Amino acid sequence: NAGVTQTPKFRVLKTGQSMTLLCAQDMNHEYMYWYRQDPGMGLRLIHYSVGEGTTAKGEVPDGYNVSRLKKQNFLLGLESAAPSQTSVYFCASKTGQSSREAFFGQGTRLTVV
Amino acid sequence: SQQGEEDPQALSIQEGENATMNCSYKTSINNLQWYRQNSGRGLVHLILIRSNEREKHSGRLRVTLDTSKKSSSLLITASRAADTASYFCATDAETSGSRLTFGEGTQLTVNP
Repeated sequence: NAGVTQTPKFRVLKTGQSMTLLCAQDMNHEYMYWYRQDPGMGLRLIHYSVGEGTTAKGEVPDGYNVSRLKKQNFLLGLESAAPSQTSVYFCASKTGQSSREAFFGQGTRLTVV
Repeated sequence: SQQGEEDPQALSIQEGENATMNCSYKTSINNLQWYRQNSGRGLVHLILIRSNEREKHSGRLRVTLDTSKKSSSLLITASRAADTASYFCATDAETSGSRLTFGEGTQLTVNP
């Protein structure tokens, strides 16, 4: 089992460029999440999804869009990257059953110059 | 604002000592979870405590939950250098539709 896989692991973007981060899970989980982690800020929820075809905003959704066209994949898009989006991005997934843990990917380190 | 707040922000102890980290949260929860993050890596789940539980053990880990004070603590006993990591609490709030919200974390350093 691969668990949660994030692609790419590292990326450098120029201001104004766009990109998509891919999260794939092979555990048949209903819920998927995108977080960003900045020094001293812990993890902040960007968007999440409770099932295929559904998405919802988290704490810091501005500047990001997401899609969940297939149950196993959750895509995070940056339409016009800004230096403030320099961060480490983590994807997580969990089953829809109550009181169960989340499984995390290894992160994507994004730098916007 | 984030649901969980942890203290201390940083903790440095000697191998063999116990480490205690605290987490406070704001809204009613279904459960509270603790995760560990080694430098540069993803988070790994340690232990989950449900809102109707007061204490839970797993190996050298002991978690308590006080829903009246909206707080939790994580105790690591007989710490080892390999326990050096960041530790985060996360809450699954009752009204959140399964949003999992994290605190800012405690950086634990265990000196050999």
